[in-house]
Amino acid sequence: GEQVEQLPSSLIVQEGASVLINCSYTDSASVYFPWYKQEPGKRLQFIIDIRSNMERKQNQRLTLLFDKKTKHLSLHITATQPGDSAIYFCSARLSGSFNKLTFGAGTRLAVCP
Amino acid sequence: EAAVTQSPRSKVAVTGGKVTLSCHQTNNHDYMYWYRQDTGHGLRLIHYSYVADSTEKGDIPDGYKASRPSQENFSLILELASLSQTAVYFCASSGRDRGDTLYFGAGTRLSVL
Repeated sequence: GEQVEQLPSSLIVQEGASVLINCSYTDSASVYFPWYKQEPGKRLQFIIDIRSNMERKQNQRLTLLFDKKTKHLSLHITATQPGDSAIYFCSARLSGSFNKLTFGAGTRLAVCP
Repeated sequence: EAAVTQSPRSKVAVTGGKVTLSCHQTNNHDYMYWYRQDTGHGLRLIHYSYVADSTEKGDIPDGYKASRPSQENFSLILELASLSQTAVYFCASSGRDRGDTLYFGAGTRLSVL
C-alpha cells in the first residue's frame, strides 16, 4: 500500500526563519495531498492541500510544492512565529478511494522566540 | 466550527479487558473514522463508516471492532485489550465528497497494562 515519509522528524528554528518540510510517497496513483497541523494540546487541523494536477499552492505564509515525477512534496513556511510550533503531517489519498488518507509520521517544529 | 468529541480523554485498561472508545460529531457528516497514532508513526486507519449501521475495515482492523448506531456516534471497541494497543486514538469526521477535510477529535490516550 501507499507509504508516506516525512523529513526531518524534528527541527528547531529561531522566530522569523523559514523552514522546509519534505514529504515523499510511493504510490503514483495518489492524487490528493492534504497537510494537517497539531499544536500542543490541540487537535489536528487542516492547513493546506494540493492535487496532483498542480505544482504549487500558497496560503499566506505557507507554500506547498508538488513534483509528480519524483513523488515529492515540500511545505515551505516563511517568517515563522512561536505559534507555528506544532507537529506537521503530510498525507496522501489514492485515486478512487473514498477519502482514505495515508499519513506520514509527522515533523515536529519548534520555533523559539 | 466542526465539532468532534471523544470520550474518555484518557484511559488505563488491563490486558484482556474490554475497552470502548466513543466519538460524537455534530457536523452532520456522513463519514467517520478511527485512527491510531503511535510514537514515531503517522496516523493509521483502523475502521471507518460512511453511513449509520455500517462500518468498514481500514488498514489495521485486527483486534478492533467498530459500531455506528447513528450518524452522530461512532465507537471503537477492543474486546480483549492487549499491550500492543497502547496508543493515542483519534476519531474524525468528513463530508461525503472526496477531498473533504477531516475534522478530528482531541484524541484518547489509552494505556493497556
